[in-house]
Amino acid sequence: GNSVTQMEGPVTLSEEAFLTINCTYTATGYPSLFWYVQYPGEGLQLLLKATKADDKGSNKGFEATYRKETTSFHLEKGSVQVSDSAVYFCALTGTASKLTFGTGTRLQVTL
Amino acid sequence: DAGVIQSPRHEVTEMGQEVTLRCKPISGHDYLFWYRQTMMRGLELLIYFNNNVPIDDSGMPEDRFSAKMPNASFSTLKIQPSEPRDSAVYFCASSLGGGIGTGSYNEQFFGPGTRLTVL
Repeated sequence: GNSVTQMEGPVTLSEEAFLTINCTYTATGYPSLFWYVQYPGEGLQLLLKATKADDKGSNKGFEATYRKETTSFHLEKGSVQVSDSAVYFCALTGTASKLTFGTGTRLQVTL
Repeated sequence: DAGVIQSPRHEVTEMGQEVTLRCKPISGHDYLFWYRQTMMRGLELLIYFNNNVPIDDSGMPEDRFSAKMPNASFSTLKIQPSEPRDSAVYFCASSLGGGIGTGSYNEQFFGPGTRLTVL
């Protein structure tokens, strides 16, 4: 079945540091890949997505590239802000509409 | 649009009591999903509906859990009887389209969640 593995947190960075959160997946066929973000006390929000190999999803300074050869979809941001502190979830969907989520990575950005 | 609406936002109950969680999806959305989030197990899909019909309930933990969607604008998740291990945050999400087998996907919009504590 489908599965998503992402790096464990928490990840603690200083403001303006470079961020990478690793995500790898196992799936049959050609899944679509997503990053969701959950701010404290809120539900999940779609951050970015990529639907085919070599696609790059981007939003709010975050980027992730769909790498089929390494089955990865790592999240990056060049300069994080305190407001980026949240939990980030990597997810995929296959032929059905349901999402398979990773366990989430908590990011804490300090001044 | 107000987004996905869930009620109550917080629920504290005692073991053995019945708990009903409610969800109003975004108007016009034809898919509705119920998720459970815990520290131990992360985010789990419990059940989802398409056009008010349950499609996949394989994530429902046991017979104590049941979900209904009597119409396009309302769904409930019921736990009877509740147990302390049911304590979690329960999310409802909705989306438009993304039919099974099409390979297409439409963004799921999540509600703010219901934090359930069973004592």
